[in-house]
Amino acid sequence: DGGITQSPKYLFRKEGQNVTLSCEQNLNHDAMYWYRQDPGQGLRLIYYSQIVNDFQKGDIAEGYSVSREKKESFPLTVTSAQKNPTAFYLCASSQLDEQFFGPGTRLTVL
Amino acid sequence: GESVGLHLPTLSVQEGDNSIINCAYSNSASDYFIWYKQESGKGPQFIIDIRSNMDKRQGQRVTVLLNKTVKHLSLQIAATQPGDSAVYFCAETGAGNNRKLIWGLGTSLAVNP
Repeated sequence: DGGITQSPKYLFRKEGQNVTLSCEQNLNHDAMYWYRQDPGQGLRLIYYSQIVNDFQKGDIAEGYSVSREKKESFPLTVTSAQKNPTAFYLCASSQLDEQFFGPGTRLTVL
Repeated sequence: GESVGLHLPTLSVQEGDNSIINCAYSNSASDYFIWYKQESGKGPQFIIDIRSNMDKRQGQRVTVLLNKTVKHLSLQIAATQPGDSAVYFCAETGAGNNRKLIWGLGTSLAVNP
C-alpha cells in the first residue's frame, strides 16, 4: 500500500529542545517537501529536496534543518533557534507536479 | 511579487447547491494548476488539476475552469454535500525546472444541511 507516513501524529516538547519529525514515502518519488501550517492559515514551504543528497531552503527555513540521505526519507529537525515552533507540519512528495501529502504532525512546544 | 490568492476566505452553501471557489494568480508563465481539499487535522488531498493548454477539466462532481486572459482559476462542486466541508487550496507551478507549488491562502467551505 503506497503512501507517505509521518510520525508521530502528535508531539510535545519543552522549549529549547530540538525535535525531529519523520517523513517516509514508498512511492519512489524523487522530490520531497516540508510545509508548516498555522491555524487558519495556508501552507508555507520550509525545505524541499528534488533528489537524494540535495535540498534547498524554502520560504521559512530559519530554525529548521533537513537531510536527504535516502530517497524514501526526509526528516525535519526543528531546532531551538525556531522562535515559534508550535504548528502543524506537513510532508509531501512528488514525481511530477502533483504533490502527495502525509497526515501531518502536530507539534506543540510547552 | 508572484502570488496565488483567493477572492473569498469563507463560503457557506446549502446542501445540494453548487459551489464555486475562485482563485487569482499573477504569474502568466504558470503552466500547471491544482486544487486540494483539506479536512480539519489532515493533510491536503488532491481534487483536480489542469494544465495551461486547457480551459476546462471535469472530474466526479468537480470542474476546474482556467481563464488565462484574466489569470483566474475556479473550482466548481456540483450538488455540494456535507462531506465537502473543508478548506480548499489552489496552487500553481511555474514553467521551468523548479516545480515548486505556489499556494493560495485557502477558502473554507461550509455546507449547511
